Amino acid sequence: GQQLNQSPQSMFIQEGEDVSMNCTSSSIFNTWLWYKQDPGEGPVLLIALYKAGELTSNGRLTAQFGITRKDSFLNISASIPSDVGIYFCAGQMGDYGGSQGNLIFGKGTKLSVKP
Amino acid sequence: NAGVMQNPRHLVRRRGQEARLRCSPMKGHSHVYWYRQLPEEGLKFMVYLQKENIIDESGMPKERFSAEFPKEGPSILRIQQVVRGDSAAYFCASSPRPGWADTQYFGPGTRLTVL
Repeated sequence: GQQLNQSPQSMFIQEGEDVSMNCTSSSIFNTWLWYKQDPGEGPVLLIALYKAGELTSNGRLTAQFGITRKDSFLNISASIPSDVGIYFCAGQMGDYGGSQGNLIFGKGTKLSVKP
Repeated sequence: NAGVMQNPRHLVRRRGQEARLRCSPMKGHSHVYWYRQLPEEGLKFMVYLQKENIIDESGMPKERFSAEFPKEGPSILRIQQVVRGDSAAYFCASSPRPGWADTQYFGPGTRLTVL
C-alpha cells in the first residue's frame, strides 16, 4: 500500500529551539496535512496544503507542500512545553473535493521538550 | 456544536468475543471514515461510509470486520471473534463532504484491548 516516510521518528529539544520534520512519498499527493495528537486523543489538524510549492503558516507553525508533490515539511519555531506530542503528516491522493477522502498517514514524529 | 463522539473510549474483550465501536459524527456531517492505529504507528484507513452506504472498504480486513452507518443513529464498526492483533486505537472522522480532507474531524478514539 501507499506509505509516507516521516522523519525524524522522535526528537528532544530545548525550550525555545526551532523544530523541523518532514515527510516523503514515492507517490504524488494532491493535499498534504499536518496533525498533532496528544496522548489518549484523536489527531487535530494543524495545517492543510493544497498546491505544490505552497507555504502556509499557523502561528509558530509553518508548512510547505513540495514542488514535486511528493514531500512536505513542518517547522515549529520557538518551541514551548505544550508542543509536546506526536505530529503526523497525512496525504490525500484524490482530488480535493472529489469522491475520495481517505487519508494516508506517516508514522509520526514524537516531540519531547525539555523545560 | 459537539465534536465527533466515540464510545466506548476503552473496551476490553477476551479472544473470541465481539467488539462494537460507535461513532456519532458532527452535526451536519454525513460522511464517516474509520481508521486504526497500532501502537507506535500512524493511522491506517479502514472504511469510508455515507448514510446507509459503504463507499470504500479497501482498508478493511476481509474477515471478521464490518461497518455500517444507518439512516438513524451512529456508525458502528463491528469486530467479530476478536484476536490479540486487533488491539489498537480505532478512530473515526466525519466530514460534510467527500474529498475535503481538511474538513475531516477526528473523534477521541476507542482503545480496544484484547486479552
